[in-house]
Amino acid sequence: SAVISQKPSRDICQRGTSLTIQCQVDSQVTMMFWYRQQPGQSLTLIATANQGSEATYESGFVIDKFPISRPNLTFSTLTVSNMSPEDSSIYLCSVGGRQYSYNEQFFGPGTRLTVL
Amino acid sequence: QQQVKQSPQSLIVQKGGISIINCAYENTAFDYFPWYQQFPGKGPALLIAIRPDVSEKKEGRFTISFNKSAKQFSLHIMDSQPGDSATYFCAASYSSGTYKYIFGTGTRLKVLA
Repeated sequence: SAVISQKPSRDICQRGTSLTIQCQVDSQVTMMFWYRQQPGQSLTLIATANQGSEATYESGFVIDKFPISRPNLTFSTLTVSNMSPEDSSIYLCSVGGRQYSYNEQFFGPGTRLTVL
Repeated sequence: QQQVKQSPQSLIVQKGGISIINCAYENTAFDYFPWYQQFPGKGPALLIAIRPDVSEKKEGRFTISFNKSAKQFSLHIMDSQPGDSATYFCAASYSSGTYKYIFGTGTRLKVLA
């Protein structure tokens, strides 16, 4: 498994501002994923972040709104840009890839974002 | 074809009873089916997973049943306890290439003491 931390754990932000969420894992991983989970809903994949390459975004998510960095094999950031109240959600990072025997993904504790 | 349908949306079970949550998928290319447990304010935690080469996998009180021909899989929680009260998500993925998960809609389980 993996131990994953996220910062901040929660934040309240004003409309039009940006927030950068950090994800740190205790071991090197090939793939990191960013998800959004709206209150009471399921998890929706935003993008996949591989070290050394551009993030791959899912339909409905764009780089200008959710820029992602992946500077090394243990760290990634997700920025939520020009926020609106509709961005209020829990943002989760997870790790996965071929370093695990099967296709496990392990999740961080999440960042709870409220946009006023 | 990328959807994973999960039912029921919510479930109430008496302590000691069996909780059963079902999922169905369309894409036969999926080859890994995990279940996650999520408590309020926490990230999802991997509970148990199965690959399509077996029909059942058991870990403690948790069992996955897999029906490849019907493209369905289910989670059984035996001797359900109040501490099992949480939201459960099934998922389906490919074990190569993108490694992406497609999650079900979730089942909120409440076990009554």
